[in-house]
This record gives sequence, C-alpha cells and structure tokens, in this order.
Amino acid sequence: RKEVEQDPGPFNVPEGATVAFNCTYSNSASQSFFWYRQDCRKEPKLLMSVYSSGNEDGRFTAQLNRASQYISLLIRDSKLSDSATYLCVVNIPGQAGTALIFGKGTTLSVSS
Amino acid sequence: EPEVTQTPSHQVTQMGQEVILRCVPISNHLYFYWYRQILGQKVEFLVSFYNNEISEKSEIFDDQFSVERPDGSNFTLKIRSTKLEDSAMYFCASSFGTDNSPLHFGNGTRLTVT
Repeated sequence: RKEVEQDPGPFNVPEGATVAFNCTYSNSASQSFFWYRQDCRKEPKLLMSVYSSGNEDGRFTAQLNRASQYISLLIRDSKLSDSATYLCVVNIPGQAGTALIFGKGTTLSVSS
Repeated sequence: EPEVTQTPSHQVTQMGQEVILRCVPISNHLYFYWYRQILGQKVEFLVSFYNNEISEKSEIFDDQFSVERPDGSNFTLKIRSTKLEDSAMYFCASSFGTDNSPLHFGNGTRLTVT
C-alpha cells in the first residue's frame, strides 16, 4: 500500500463551486498532517495544517479521521485562483521522525 | 517574511559530472531537507538533516548523494557522477521543529543532465 494516496483528478469545477479532496495514509503512527498547494513548475506552498479536531481557514476546511487514516480538504466558493495541484502531506515516523511524505496531488481547475 | 533561497535556479550538466546545489534555509530553522520532483511526478523525499548530521534518508538517497552544512547558513546537496535520470527539480526546505512544523520550500533548482 502506498504511503500517501490521493485521487489525482483532475477536478474541473465552475467558479463558486464547492469541491472536496480526499487523502489516505498508510502509517497509523503518523502525527503530522498538512495540505500544500503547488502551482505549475513552482515550489509547494503550505495551505494549512490539519488538526485532530478539524480546522478551517476562510474558504478551506480540513478534516482528519485517525481511525480511517483519512484526511480531507473542502474548498468552498471556488475562485479561479484556486486552480492548482493540492498535495496531501503526512509525516512518516522514523528514527528521528522528520520525513514528510507527499501524495501525488489532486489537480483542480476552476473555470469561469 | 523570511524565505528559503536556492541557487542556481537552473543547472545544466553532462552525464557523469558532479553538481552542487545550494540552499540557504530560514535562519532560525533547525531541520533541513532536500526533496526532488521529476517532471510530472510527485514530490519525493531525499534526506533530512539536523544538528549537523543526516536524520532520515530515503532509498533514493544512495552513495551518489551527499549533504553538507559547510557554514552557519548554507546547506548543500552534492550529486556525484550525475545520470540522465537525475534530471528533476530539486527543492530545499527547512522547518523549525518536527512536531507539526510545516516545511518551507525554496523556489527549487531545475537540474538537467544531458
């Protein structure tokens, strides 16, 4: 089983739509979870951390289900500028616990 | 806002040559990382570095690769005897800690091996 799995998409949605991305991870001992976004040929940029109780940042809501080893990202009222690849990132505990592993990403295209 | 900076932005080298990719992490960060992304593929972990030594490395990070923090600010990735399949974007990142500390990435160095 792959360490971090995401639906690659692409998700093509109109402006104003609500879209949800899912991610599963394989290591039940993982403790740190993030969503990053990556624009074409650019570096990944932190979108938000994911906390156990779920958290919201404006139009973005992240949820974590430890029992199912599942993370989600909900984007409300999509904007053209939300078009990007969204990367699910999870730490894989190791000797020093410092490896953050990326999923392949889910591509979102928002159109007018 | 402090940034991670990487140089050069693009490096072209011939197969078999050695390359050194340079990074200046954010100054108060303690953990440093190298990731790579082959075109069209996912971001892959290479190595993490803390307290002047490697703390984790992936199976990609074989004897061809080495990292160094030669002074108080730079963090380098050396690739000896480059291969065609080393062509990728190499990202440096840093973080303050490990528990729920996100990574901050540099703009990347695009390595092209011909």
